[in-house]
Amino acid sequence: DSGVTQTPKHLITATGQRVTLRCSPRSGDLSVYWYQQSLDQGLQFLIQYYNGEERAKGNILERFSAQQFPDLHSELNLSSLELGDSALYFCASSVGRVAGVTDTQYFGPGTRLTVL
Amino acid sequence: AQSVAQPEDQVNVAEGNPLTVKCTYSVSGNPYLFWYVQYPNRGLQFLLKYITGDNLVKGSYGFEAEFNKSQTSFHLKKPSALVSDSALYFCAVRSRSPAGGTSYGKLTFGQGTILTVHP
Repeated sequence: DSGVTQTPKHLITATGQRVTLRCSPRSGDLSVYWYQQSLDQGLQFLIQYYNGEERAKGNILERFSAQQFPDLHSELNLSSLELGDSALYFCASSVGRVAGVTDTQYFGPGTRLTVL
Repeated sequence: AQSVAQPEDQVNVAEGNPLTVKCTYSVSGNPYLFWYVQYPNRGLQFLLKYITGDNLVKGSYGFEAEFNKSQTSFHLKKPSALVSDSALYFCAVRSRSPAGGTSYGKLTFGQGTILTVHP
């Protein structure tokens, strides 16, 4: 158990809908990362937050957004869902020092999103 | 741009034999390299990382990896495989980016290698 929790575990929804995925980082970790894992794209970095502020951005669609709250939990919002958004969404956390490129990222169990 | 290649989609090995899962990378500047393992219906578990220093890095569950700068490789190894090692293995790279760079913090993963250890 990495100490990173994600809810819900599974989510089934329809095209055009909006969903929110939730992540609680390990105790003491300030950085949260979101990744998408799909069969065709593999594991792709979406976005990183550090202590409430956006730190880095990857291949995140404009229909997707995220935020990190004062208690350090994070939410990933996916809107106008398409069939191709079906994937496993992982959250990871790390200590997140400002120059923390050597930080280890610890991953949660993921949320499996199915868009029908 | 940084990238990782895992040239083998699958690796099969007999229990008790040594195993190697290959990884090559491309990154500007010093690489920071990681191995993760994913069991079915589970998240990624951290195995080991190379930051600097000794080219041979030891990690969890008896795994180790050898960093080779000239060959830009970071192969994962284990002297004696167990059936319970069967899983999906990912190599990842992270580059040193200036603070505030848009890709700062990003891990770039390979496509993964399915390791199957036969009894």
